[in-house]
Amino acid sequence: EVHLVESGGGLVQPGGSLGLSCAASGFTFTTYWMTWVRQAPGKGLEWVTNINQDGREKYYVDSVKGRFTISRDNAKNSLYLQMNSLRAEDTAVYYCARARRRSSSQGFWFDPWGQGTLVTVSS
Amino acid sequence: DIQMTQSPSTLSASVGDRVTITCRASQSISSWLAWYQQKPGKAPNLLIYKASNLESGVPSRFSGSGSGTEFTLTISSLQPDDFATYYCQQYNSYPLTFGGGTRVEIK
Repeated sequence: EVHLVESGGGLVQPGGSLGLSCAASGFTFTTYWMTWVRQAPGKGLEWVTNINQDGREKYYVDSVKGRFTISRDNAKNSLYLQMNSLRAEDTAVYYCARARRRSSSQGFWFDPWGQGTLVTVSS
Repeated sequence: DIQMTQSPSTLSASVGDRVTITCRASQSISSWLAWYQQKPGKAPNLLIYKASNLESGVPSRFSGSGSGTEFTLTISSLQPDDFATYYCQQYNSYPLTFGGGTRVEIK
């Protein structure tokens, strides 16, 4: 069974840093793009970033460019999100998800998703 | 950026009702659209990809249609387990974007 488990969330002050991890199991991690999606309390879903199989290709939503860094360790079947210069508006549940597509000419949908980890940015 | 607009934002319906949710894209996205279901406190769950392809294991009462800028998610006969929030997502181009969600509540 495919399983994704996020960890690392918590309370951090504005301007601070936090690192999230996502442990993957039940599938061949090295063959999939991976993604982070977030959801502010009571709000909708926002795609944050994608990373390709070897970690060399990455995409970010404009609001986190230069502050967040996605990475992966294929030997550990793990995905990471390093978040710096955090702002109140970054407060959200952060989900990791496997990115799926049928061909390299297509974009990605997401399945499955982890249970999420809550990041709260507040003084 | 491609904006995704869902309507209605809230829908009240009864068990057995046929329910339709609309998702409109601000520009053509061909058929590059997915639908998700999210229950309170849980992660989203994929229902449909490429506008009309039902994900394995998803009940056949769910269906999707549309192309270009207008899409629909239909639940043919609403079941108690279907009361949830539904999101569309375009994957035509970056940034990947979601609709604002449609909450389906009990009438």
